Amino acid sequence: EAQVTQNPRYLITVTGKKLTVTCSQNMNHEYMSWYRQDPGLGLRQIYYSMNVEVTDKGDVPEGYKVSRKEKRNFPLILESPSPNQTSLYFCASRPGDREADTQYFGPGTRLTVL
Amino acid sequence: DQQVKQNSPSLSVQEGRISILNCDYTNSMFDYFLWYKKYPAEGPTFLISISSIKDKNEDGRFTVFLNKSAKHLSLHIVPSQPGDSAVYFCAATLNDYKLSFGAGTTVTVRA
Repeated sequence: EAQVTQNPRYLITVTGKKLTVTCSQNMNHEYMSWYRQDPGLGLRQIYYSMNVEVTDKGDVPEGYKVSRKEKRNFPLILESPSPNQTSLYFCASRPGDREADTQYFGPGTRLTVL
Repeated sequence: DQQVKQNSPSLSVQEGRISILNCDYTNSMFDYFLWYKKYPAEGPTFLISISSIKDKNEDGRFTVFLNKSAKHLSLHIVPSQPGDSAVYFCAATLNDYKLSFGAGTTVTVRA
């Protein structure tokens, strides 16, 4: 089954404790992206990657890092989480040569930073 | 500052009637627009899209209209069904890599 998986699905942590949210896709997609969803703001793009070792900032990259060492994985790293990073996070992927309407989203990771 | 705005946070409609969702954008360079649907505890799923060279696109019960001069697009769902109850996000892109989303509209279809 074609899918985007995220782990963990739920996480409660404390300020300053480094964490990683993993994202993996089994569709051999070139393009992957991270979003956060907040009430009244919709989804905002954090980072995206057009291919292995190629990443770029979205609209809200501050406080986040990403890496793309393999095509299937695109982890989101919070080096020093803060309460304003409490949010619902979505990973997405799509073929690099297709338009945005072929984008698949993962089920989401709800992060709470105390 | 948000470049894509959905000013109605919620919409309630009777089953069988038309649902109209609105979306405004500020960046005239956007050239592709999309609507996504999201159920609770799931990721968004693609619903319908429209290129800036068109003013209308239909897919079954869903039609998207684009008014470039007004920087406005709308999604029509006819007829509305209970399974259409969800959050709908409008999105826009200019280079196909960066997507800008609106805040979403929660649609409730009443029986």
